[in-house]
Amino acid sequence: QKEVEQDPGPLSVPEGAIVSLNCTYSNSAFQYFMWYRQYSRKGPELLMYTYSSGNKEDGRFTAQVDKSSKYISLFIRDSQPSDSATYLCAMSETGGGNKLTFGTGTQLKVEL
Amino acid sequence: DAEITQSPRHKITETGRQVTLACHQTWNHNNMFWYRQDLGHGLRLIHYSYGVHDTNKGEVSDGYSVSRSNTEDLPLTLESAASSQTSVYFCASSEGGQYVQYFGPGTRLTVT
Repeated sequence: QKEVEQDPGPLSVPEGAIVSLNCTYSNSAFQYFMWYRQYSRKGPELLMYTYSSGNKEDGRFTAQVDKSSKYISLFIRDSQPSDSATYLCAMSETGGGNKLTFGTGTQLKVEL
Repeated sequence: DAEITQSPRHKITETGRQVTLACHQTWNHNNMFWYRQDLGHGLRLIHYSYGVHDTNKGEVSDGYSVSRSNTEDLPLTLESAASSQTSVYFCASSEGGQYVQYFGPGTRLTVT
């Protein structure tokens, strides 16, 4: 079993829909949680960064961390075709040498 | 603007040849990382460095080496390229003590 599990999709939604992307993990020591967006043939770019449990909002994006369930989510409101990309979750533990453990990514397509 | 660059962006090489992929960052970050990205596996850590003359093995380091002679560069060398090393390679960097990593645009390597 992988340390971080993420449904690969593809996930196809109509424009304007609310999108929910999720990751589960097994290492209870993870404290730092990130979401990266990766367009085709590009490098990952940071979308959201949260520490420990709770919610964080940035424009149309909301990141949620539920450490008791070992579950993190990324919500995208009013999805746009420009949101079509692969979304990678990543996490790290305190004292883990700043190394990240990544999910395999979920491919999202937002259709007109 | 500070950035992280990789070269070449595309490379085709033959089995058994030595190949070096370049990574250069202008953020003055202490931490640098090399990943490979393959379908179904996500991003896997090859090698990483916390500073000049420091190098460490990641989860898939066999057949790869790195050296760090200055802050800005972390070249990745494939000693004797194998077809199993056909992949997309990403370099990333982060500030010392920070968990967020910033990625380069990637190098697509094909070993024939």
